[in-house]
Amino acid sequence: AQTVTQSQPEMSVQEAETVTLSCTYDTSESNYYLFWYKQPPSRQMILVIRQEAYKQQNATENRFSVNFQKAAKSFSLKISDSQLGDTAMYFCALGGQYNAGGTSYGKLTFGQGTILTVHP
Amino acid sequence: EAQVTQNPRYLITVTGKKLTVTCSQNMNHEYMSWYRQDPGLGLRQIYYSMNVEVTDKGDVPEGYKVSRKEKRNFPLILESPSPNQTSLYFCASSLRTSPVNYGYTFGSGTRLTVV
Repeated sequence: AQTVTQSQPEMSVQEAETVTLSCTYDTSESNYYLFWYKQPPSRQMILVIRQEAYKQQNATENRFSVNFQKAAKSFSLKISDSQLGDTAMYFCALGGQYNAGGTSYGKLTFGQGTILTVHP
Repeated sequence: EAQVTQNPRYLITVTGKKLTVTCSQNMNHEYMSWYRQDPGLGLRQIYYSMNVEVTDKGDVPEGYKVSRKEKRNFPLILESPSPNQTSLYFCASSLRTSPVNYGYTFGSGTRLTVV
């Protein structure tokens, strides 16, 4: 079974500062993908960043970057120059491959979420 | 515009009254799935479907039904809702194996309250 753990239920940061959200996971797969999703008060699930496990280089998307430690099974999200619009729930997710009835399919397993509040 | 459309956005119902939450996607995706989101538990998969007439249970299927008669539609049915099904529900879709690679396209969510 695949599991994802986010141990920080809530975080807060001042505008323009940097914050890091933690995520650990467990999987027996050798190749997989990791994601961070943002859920603002509108409830929409927005893909922030994705990381391919076989790539050593950490993914970056503008102010968002990850610290991917494969051996430690850790996948943290760093938000630089925090903005008020970054206030949201953030979910870490692991993409795994499953087999059902001889057919392979993909599934995302999500962590518990971290509520991030950016203060002016 | 490529999207997953979920309705209704909000729903309040009484215990035992059957309800259906609709989900439709216009991207010709084979894979569709329902998740529920609860505080402290994140998103948990209820059911999924790999194609028309092919559905299977996820991690928390009790009390729910689904059907996939057409590729674009994947309704979630609660035949006898109970208060513990009060939750935020998401429909999601993708090409069959691409959740692993590219993640899902999500609907906008349905906030269900069962009293």
